Amino acid sequence: GEQVEQLPSILRVQEGSSASINCTYENSASNYFPWYKQEPGENPKLIIDIRSNMERKQTQGLIVLLDKKAKRFSLHITDTQPGDSAMYFCAAIPSSGSWQLIFGSGTQLTVMP
Amino acid sequence: EAAVTQSPRSKVAVTGGKVTLSCHQTNNHDYMYWYRQDTGHGLRLIHYSYVADSTEKGDIPDGYKASRPSQENFSLILELASLSQTAVYFCASSDVTGSAERLFFGHGTKLSVL
Repeated sequence: GEQVEQLPSILRVQEGSSASINCTYENSASNYFPWYKQEPGENPKLIIDIRSNMERKQTQGLIVLLDKKAKRFSLHITDTQPGDSAMYFCAAIPSSGSWQLIFGSGTQLTVMP
Repeated sequence: EAAVTQSPRSKVAVTGGKVTLSCHQTNNHDYMYWYRQDTGHGLRLIHYSYVADSTEKGDIPDGYKASRPSQENFSLILELASLSQTAVYFCASSDVTGSAERLFFGHGTKLSVL
């Protein structure tokens, strides 16, 4: 089946620095790329998403970049805070008209004070 | 905020026993999903449903059955629980108009099979 590769699996950064998570997908027809944040003991929640007609999207300290040629998308968290410590999942819809989200394996982000 | 409620929140089951995980949503969403979360594997889709009385297989359906008796309710059934089914299970719903778009997850059920 379709795969979404996510790296790194573990990421530790100092408070105030930036954190970056990268994902790659297989199907060039993929058109929707959301990011979910899961805090300890909680359910995953959508934090930002980007569609294939965009290359960059930014909201509240989060930046998502999409490189369709490389089939790669990334999440950048600027000025990280302890509250950003969580598991982050990227996902992709394999093709236009598909309903199914394929998730990456997750990145455990720890922001150290 | 959309509401998806799972029960139980945790369960210990014996190998070979039957387990039923329940999910209830009050979002009036058509689509409901069951995902399994294991360390290193992210979220993997087990079964989904887009209408009452109908279910579809996801990526890892073996060993699981699903039931959608109404739009609001979606159950996951393990007829013969096995050790390998120890995991956290998430139910989700979405308002789909051609693609999955935003998923609203429940808080998960931690299942331990002994």
